[in-house]
Amino acid sequence: DGGITQSPKYLFRKEGQNVTLSCEQNLNHDAMYWYRQDPGQGLRLIYYSQIVNDFQKGDIAEGYSVSREKKESFPLTVTSAQKNPTAFYLCASSMGTRRGGSYNEQFFGPGTRLTVL
Amino acid sequence: EDQVTQSPEALRLQEGESSSLNCSYTVSGLRGLFWYRQDPGKGPEFLFTLYSAGEEKEKERLKATLTKKESFLHITAPKPEDSATYLCAVRSYNQGGKLIFGQGTELSVKP
Repeated sequence: DGGITQSPKYLFRKEGQNVTLSCEQNLNHDAMYWYRQDPGQGLRLIYYSQIVNDFQKGDIAEGYSVSREKKESFPLTVTSAQKNPTAFYLCASSMGTRRGGSYNEQFFGPGTRLTVL
Repeated sequence: EDQVTQSPEALRLQEGESSSLNCSYTVSGLRGLFWYRQDPGKGPEFLFTLYSAGEEKEKERLKATLTKKESFLHITAPKPEDSATYLCAVRSYNQGGKLIFGQGTELSVKP
């Protein structure tokens, strides 16, 4: 089955720790995205990548870092500089961003819930 | 500034009671409006993409429509399994591949 996987499903972080959230896709999509979802708020974009070895900051990138060494993988690191990391993190992918049509649709993984202890 | 506003925030319906969810948007050049369904604790599930005013898409009890300022998600004769949060998002010429999401409408359908 093609799809997007995220791990772990639940993650607990202690103060001062860096943690890494995994996102893998086997859809052969070029573009990948990381969002943060808080209760009562819409999804907010953290980082996105349109191609391997390239990525751009989204609206709330401070305290986060990413890498895109492989087309299939786009891990997100939540650093100790992120003061309010408790949230539901969603990874998404799309065929691409340079053309219209079905290339626009983003498909989401199941999410990782991060809690700060 | 590109913006998306969904209303109502929450909607309670009886099974079989048809209604509509609204998504109002302000963008500088629409490159697509997207509807998603999200169940609690899960990732959003893609439903529809609309590109131009007058366009309509249907799937089972759901029908999405688009005007130059807003989109409606019509739910006909809903069932309890339609209970979920429905998210609307837009892509604009200014934003490249980025989507701007509304806050969602939480739909509850009681038997």
